Amino acid sequence: AQRVTQPEKLLSVFKGAPVELKCNYSYSGSPELFWYVQYSRQRLQLLLRHISRESIKGFTADLNKGETSFHLKKPFAQEEDSAMYYCALANRDDKIIFGKGTRLHILP
Amino acid sequence: KAGVTQTPRYLIKTRGQQVTLSCSPISGHRSVSWYQQTPGQGLQFLFEYFSETQRNKGNFPGRFSGRQFSNSRSEMNVSTLELGDSALYLCASSLVAAGGLAEQFFGPGTRLTVL
Repeated sequence: AQRVTQPEKLLSVFKGAPVELKCNYSYSGSPELFWYVQYSRQRLQLLLRHISRESIKGFTADLNKGETSFHLKKPFAQEEDSAMYYCALANRDDKIIFGKGTRLHILP
Repeated sequence: KAGVTQTPRYLIKTRGQQVTLSCSPISGHRSVSWYQQTPGQGLQFLFEYFSETQRNKGNFPGRFSGRQFSNSRSEMNVSTLELGDSALYLCASSLVAAGGLAEQFFGPGTRLTVL
């Protein structure tokens, strides 16, 4: 079954500390992977996608096919990073499958 | 550029009724996708319309249907509402068909409560 798993519902990190939001997927093939973010009282928006290999707001994510993971990382957390983060996968039929999300809380 | 708009923002219905939700995509976007968001199941894909044709469909019963008009606006209809249909319904538009190359822009959602 095609699945995206975000094992942590809530992650609390101190400001300035490194952040890693975990995402594992189950998919037989080459997936297209994304991270979406929803800040408080804002809409869900694309943060980054692995196909672009970009760094947005200091965040990066590397696709590890061996571990079927696409963890989101940032070396130094900032208070404005507090938000809900969703990992998503686009399968070969172009259906988007979302994980259940991780709430990131940056502690002052 | 105006973002994706959804109407109404809030809706209360009773079991057995039907409901129609509307989504206006960003100007020029031809793809509209619909998602159901609940605390238990998270975001689940309902369907995608591209150039007035249903391009993709998730695993939802036939009570959930949709359509897209020539101006790319889309409507989603749920018939014979059940309590479990209470959710936030999100619409997302993209310039190209949804998938790995598409950046989806989300609307604010319609909060449906079924009593």
